[in-house]
Amino acid sequence: QKEVEQDPGPLSVPEGAIVSLNCTYSNSAFQYFMWYRQYSRKGPELLMYTYSSGNKEDGRFTAQVDKSSKYISLFIRDSQPSDSATYLCAMNKNTDKLIFGTGTRLQVFP
Amino acid sequence: DTGVSQNPRHKITKRGQNVTFRCDPISEHNRLYWYRQTLGQGPEFLTYFQNEAQLEKSRLLSDRFSAERPKGSFSTLEIQRTEQGDSAMYLCAPQDRGSATGELFFGEGSRLTVL
Repeated sequence: QKEVEQDPGPLSVPEGAIVSLNCTYSNSAFQYFMWYRQYSRKGPELLMYTYSSGNKEDGRFTAQVDKSSKYISLFIRDSQPSDSATYLCAMNKNTDKLIFGTGTRLQVFP
Repeated sequence: DTGVSQNPRHKITKRGQNVTFRCDPISEHNRLYWYRQTLGQGPEFLTYFQNEAQLEKSRLLSDRFSAERPKGSFSTLEIQRTEQGDSAMYLCAPQDRGSATGELFFGEGSRLTVL
């Protein structure tokens, strides 16, 4: 079993939809949780990070962490075609190496 | 601007050849990480440096792989006797000195295709 599980998709939604992306994990020692966006043939770009449980909002993006369920989510409101990319969750304990999910490919069609 | 330059961006080589990738952070960072990403997968940790010292190596890093960071700034990753299974994107990520969370800022990557 992988430490971090993520549905690979693809997830296809119409423009303007609310998108929900999720990851589960098995290591209860993880404390820092991040979401990266990756366009085709590019490196991953950090979108958001959160510490421990709770919510964090940044524009159209909201990250949620539920440590009791070992479950994290990224919500995208008013999705745009430019949001079409692969979204990777990543996590670590302290400042240790990041462990990534497989990524979910998102397609937002006009 | 990702803050890190990786070269070459794409390398096509024949099986059995050696290849070397270079990572140049724009500013000083005490830690530098290498990850590998194959198609349809997330990045997987390979190794990391604290200044010049290589502190951890993944079991993915076979003896055909070697990484260096001679002056604590740029880093190189060499793969000897390449195999088709080495085809992947190789990502470099410096870590900010004052990072309290360990977030990484990746370069654009070096894509390797082994024929």
